[in-house]
Amino acid sequence: GAVVSQHPSWVICKSGTSVKIECRSLDFQATTMFWYRQFPKQSLMLMATSNEGSKATYEQGVEKDKFLINHASLTLSTLTVTSAHPEDSSFYICSASGSWSYNEQFFGPGTRLTVL
Amino acid sequence: GENVEQHPSTLSVQEGDSAVIKCTYSDSASNYFPWYKQELGKRPQLIIDIRSNVGEKKDQRIAVTLNKTAKHFSLHITETQPEDSAVYFCAASRWEDKIIFGKGTRLHILP
Repeated sequence: GAVVSQHPSWVICKSGTSVKIECRSLDFQATTMFWYRQFPKQSLMLMATSNEGSKATYEQGVEKDKFLINHASLTLSTLTVTSAHPEDSSFYICSASGSWSYNEQFFGPGTRLTVL
Repeated sequence: GENVEQHPSTLSVQEGDSAVIKCTYSDSASNYFPWYKQELGKRPQLIIDIRSNVGEKKDQRIAVTLNKTAKHFSLHITETQPEDSAVYFCAASRWEDKIIFGKGTRLHILP
């Protein structure tokens, strides 16, 4: 149980275009979803926390107009990287937790974004 | 906000020996401390976690200790094996709040 999927697993796009990444909880209702970014040989940095039906809470230094997060249902959250640039190239990982999981988060497999 | 420090950044141990990774946290309200193992290009995998009402927890070759007074917690891996080579992250969280990660420890198991 507690499976989280992400789509796509990798994406290559041109500079200036937008990319959408989906995060789904497959077998549970995710009251909260989290989006992380991980650069090579670095730790996971939390970008934002989203609760179903409400606006995401962004971490300091994360541009909310550039990284659009939507959590429209209890099983789906999306991250849209708008006007992507090469410096946005990174490994994006989502996680999800439920009201029953006592803080434990379940991670998606990640999406590798490369911006040319 | 919470700040998690992790040491060492790199650790090499002989196969069969023990490995210890240490972390400190700053927020006394944190009450959940997970440890993750991450292999290259993969998602973090929860290997063990501990909550603030417990001082020690063990699962086969892996153990975690927590000292709430000193605000530090440690991961112990005994009888290390080649498949233990990976990056390990400690983390801390308040109840139903975001998880803050340490910077990671790259563990190398030497043959």
